Amino acid sequence: QKEVEQDPGPLSVPEGAIVSLNCTYSNSAFQYFMWYRQYSRKGPELLMYTYSSGNKEDGRFTAQVDKSSKYISLFIRDSQPSDSATYLCAMSSSTGANSKLTFGKGITLSVRP
Amino acid sequence: ETGVTQSPTHLIKTRGQQVTLRCSSQSGHNTVSWYQQALGQGPQFIFQYYREEENGRGNFPPRFSGLQFPNYSSELNVNALELDDSALYLCASSHKKVVGNEKLFFGSGTQLSVL
Repeated sequence: QKEVEQDPGPLSVPEGAIVSLNCTYSNSAFQYFMWYRQYSRKGPELLMYTYSSGNKEDGRFTAQVDKSSKYISLFIRDSQPSDSATYLCAMSSSTGANSKLTFGKGITLSVRP
Repeated sequence: ETGVTQSPTHLIKTRGQQVTLRCSSQSGHNTVSWYQQALGQGPQFIFQYYREEENGRGNFPPRFSGLQFPNYSSELNVNALELDDSALYLCASSHKKVVGNEKLFFGSGTQLSVL
């Protein structure tokens, strides 16, 4: 079993739809949870960051972490064609192997005009 | 403030050859991490360098090695290339070596193809 599993894609939605992206993980040491967005032929860029359990909102984006279920989600409201990209969840621990991020395999989102 | 730059952008090598990839970190950052991203996969951590010392290594064989220079730029060296080494190699820089609560800034990567 991989440490981080991400829902397989690709995902295609119409403009304006609400998008839900999800990851599960197995390592209880993970304390930091991130979502990165990666456009084609570019490196990942940090979209959302959450520490431990809870919700965080930033504009059209909401990140949720449920540590009891080892489940994290990213919601995109009023999706736009410019949101079309690959979305990667990433996690890190606060001790031990704290120099690395562990990524999911990513899901490619396409928002149709 | 300049971003993370990587060179070259694309590279084609044959099996058994050696390759060196280069990364210039963002201004003010003393930590560089390298990741390998195979097609359709998420990035996999190779290693991190903090102030010229290796600080953490992923599950990669010793033929993957690195350096960090006094100006905090970095190199990734891969010896005895194998077909499975074909991937996008990403460099990321940050202020701190503990990455959980730190924003990593990624370069656009070097696309390596091994034939």
